[in-house]
Amino acid sequence: GNSVTQMEGPVTLSEEAFLTINCTYTATGYPSLFWYVQYPGEGLQLLLKATKADDKGSNKGFEATYRKETTSFHLEKGSVQVSDSAVYFCALISNTGGFKTIFGAGTRLFVKA
Amino acid sequence: KAGVTQTPRYLIKTRGQQVTLSCSPISGHRSVSWYQQTPGQGLQFLFEYFSETQRNKGNFPGRFSGRQFSNSRSEMNVSTLELGDSALYLCASSPGPSDSNQPQHFGDGTRLSIL
Repeated sequence: GNSVTQMEGPVTLSEEAFLTINCTYTATGYPSLFWYVQYPGEGLQLLLKATKADDKGSNKGFEATYRKETTSFHLEKGSVQVSDSAVYFCALISNTGGFKTIFGAGTRLFVKA
Repeated sequence: KAGVTQTPRYLIKTRGQQVTLSCSPISGHRSVSWYQQTPGQGLQFLFEYFSETQRNKGNFPGRFSGRQFSNSRSEMNVSTLELGDSALYLCASSPGPSDSNQPQHFGDGTRLSIL
C-alpha cells in the first residue's frame, strides 16, 4: 500500500542553520505530495505542495521538489528561525489507495537562538 | 474567513463512557475528514464525509462512528471508551472530496483523555 517515510527526529539546529528533513514515499499511480506543519497546541497547516514530478513547492522560505526517480520530497530551508520550531509532516494523496491522505510520522524541529 | 472549528478543545472521560466530538468546516467546504493523533501511532485516518455520505474509512473498530449534516458540520462518536482512545482528534475540511487532490485545512483538535 501507499506509505510515507520521514527522517526521525528530533532535529535540533541553531538559528540561521540550513534545514533538510528527508521524506520518501511509496505509491502507485501519480500522487500529489504535501508538507504540513504543526505548531504546539494547534492543528496541522499546509506548508507547501507539489502535484507532479519535478514540481517545486515553496512557501515562507521552505522548498521541496517532487523527485519521481528517487520517490522523494525533501523539505529544505536555507536559514531557520526560532519560530520554525514545530512538527513537520510529509503527506501524499494518490489516485490509488482510495485517495486517503497518508501522513508520515512527523519530524520535530527545535531551533535554538 | 473562519477556519475549521472543533469543540470541545479538551475532554476528560472514564472508561466505558461515550463521547461526541464536533467539527464545523470552513464555509463552503463540503468534505470533512477525521484523524486520530497519538505519540505512538502518529496521524491515523478515521473517516471522510462528503455531502453527508461516508466516502472513506480507516482501520478503526466499529466503536468509532461519524456523521455529517446538511450544513457540512460533522460529528464523531466513540462508544465504550478505552484507555487507548486517549488522543488528539483532528478534523480537516476541503472544498471537494479527497479525489480532487485538494489540501486539507485542519482544526486545532479535541484532546480526549480517558481515565
